[in-house]
Amino acid sequence: SSELTQDPAVSVALGQTVRITCQGDSLKSHYASWYQQKPGQAPVLVVYGKNSRPSGIPDRFSGSSSGNTASLTITGAQAEDEADYHCNSRDSRGNRVVFGGGTRLTVL
Amino acid sequence: QVQLVESGGGVVQPGRSLRVSCAASGFTFSSYAMHWVRQAPGKGLEWVALISYDGSNKYYADSVKGRFTISRDNSKSTLYLQMNSLRAEDTAVYSCARDRGMLDLDPWGQGTLVTVSS
Repeated sequence: SSELTQDPAVSVALGQTVRITCQGDSLKSHYASWYQQKPGQAPVLVVYGKNSRPSGIPDRFSGSSSGNTASLTITGAQAEDEADYHCNSRDSRGNRVVFGGGTRLTVL
Repeated sequence: QVQLVESGGGVVQPGRSLRVSCAASGFTFSSYAMHWVRQAPGKGLEWVALISYDGSNKYYADSVKGRFTISRDNSKSTLYLQMNSLRAEDTAVYSCARDRGMLDLDPWGQGTLVTVSS
């Protein structure tokens, strides 16, 4: 079983704001990273560290963290944001990686 | 541009072995740690293994420890995953990914499908 927990599915109306969460004990000590995966495509890193975005990722994607919960916020969701979103972090041992189960985002 | 291309997937019987490869280009391969991650059909991502930039340190998920071996050839800019004693539950798309630091994976390859079936 995954050490990081995500809601299986979330929906948002076009143009509205949505928060996708990731919970786990390791998040008390380590930041989560967030990956977007569209059907048939490789995952793409969208947010990492405290709240950083790789080059080319729109600024409507942002990250935050509080206690054992990390969040990915999409402000003004677009149709092209419909995808699976996965969080990851270090596991409790510190030198291995763990992923959440993923959240399917539907943009209505 | 940075590119990762996996190969070597296929259909293999339970208990047999298979090696998959990941050819890297567009960056200094020998400067980066690398990961293998798998995704079973219709399922989420599962981290498999990590190797340091020089191959001196390797880490594995408990589900594959003792059966899988990660390795790299920096002279060929290629990452490998040797998979032994394969099980049906190892069926997945296996993808390699570069560690950009702090276990952030970017970019990823498209993956190669490994099917374990009799």
